[in-house]
Amino acid sequence: AQSVSQHNHHVILSEAASLELGCNYSYGGTVNLFWYVQYPGQHLQLLLKYFSGDPLVKGIKGFEAEFIKSKFSFNLRKPSVQWSDTAEYFCAVNTPNTGNQFYFGTGTSLTVIP
Amino acid sequence: DGGITQSPKYLFRKEGQNVTLSCEQNLNHDAMYWYRQDPGQGLRLIYYSQIVNDFQKGDIAEGYSVSREKKESFPLTVTSAQKNPTAFYLCASRRQGATEAFFGQGTRLTVV
Repeated sequence: AQSVSQHNHHVILSEAASLELGCNYSYGGTVNLFWYVQYPGQHLQLLLKYFSGDPLVKGIKGFEAEFIKSKFSFNLRKPSVQWSDTAEYFCAVNTPNTGNQFYFGTGTSLTVIP
Repeated sequence: DGGITQSPKYLFRKEGQNVTLSCEQNLNHDAMYWYRQDPGQGLRLIYYSQIVNDFQKGDIAEGYSVSREKKESFPLTVTSAQKNPTAFYLCASRRQGATEAFFGQGTRLTVV
């Protein structure tokens, strides 16, 4: 099985601080990359995705992520977080050439303090 | 409304009993997935199905079974062989040719 590593398990930030959440994956073949967000009490929602083209992808709510193939990384960033960004964030990899499975990281819990 | 419906939201069962979790989607998606979410472990794949009448084991299939008799339905049975069944279970689906998966609201199963 492929592995997805999220290095930050718990992150606490003040409002307006910048955010970067790390994500690394192990698969060397073709991948699609995702960040999902789970707000308290809600279901998983897609934040952004990369499958081809510009390695810098922009998602909803001001989030962006950069795919660096040489580093097997797909870090999530936001220049200025808000209290409403408090949630759990999951990085995921889909391997379209090997069964189209999705592999998820362990998640990062973000708490934004007003 | 279009979407993925998991029912019930909360489920309690006695140890040793089998229990079936429902997942229905009206998105006409071909692929469906079952994940288990535990604190600090993220989402782990139990089973997935890419077409009707076909499914494959994920990383933690032991103690679980599934069926895919209809495109819109992918029920998961947690059997008495699953040693630690208490968890949050998430169902997802994906349209053929699309990259992302969409998730249901989840079912929290508690075995006592």
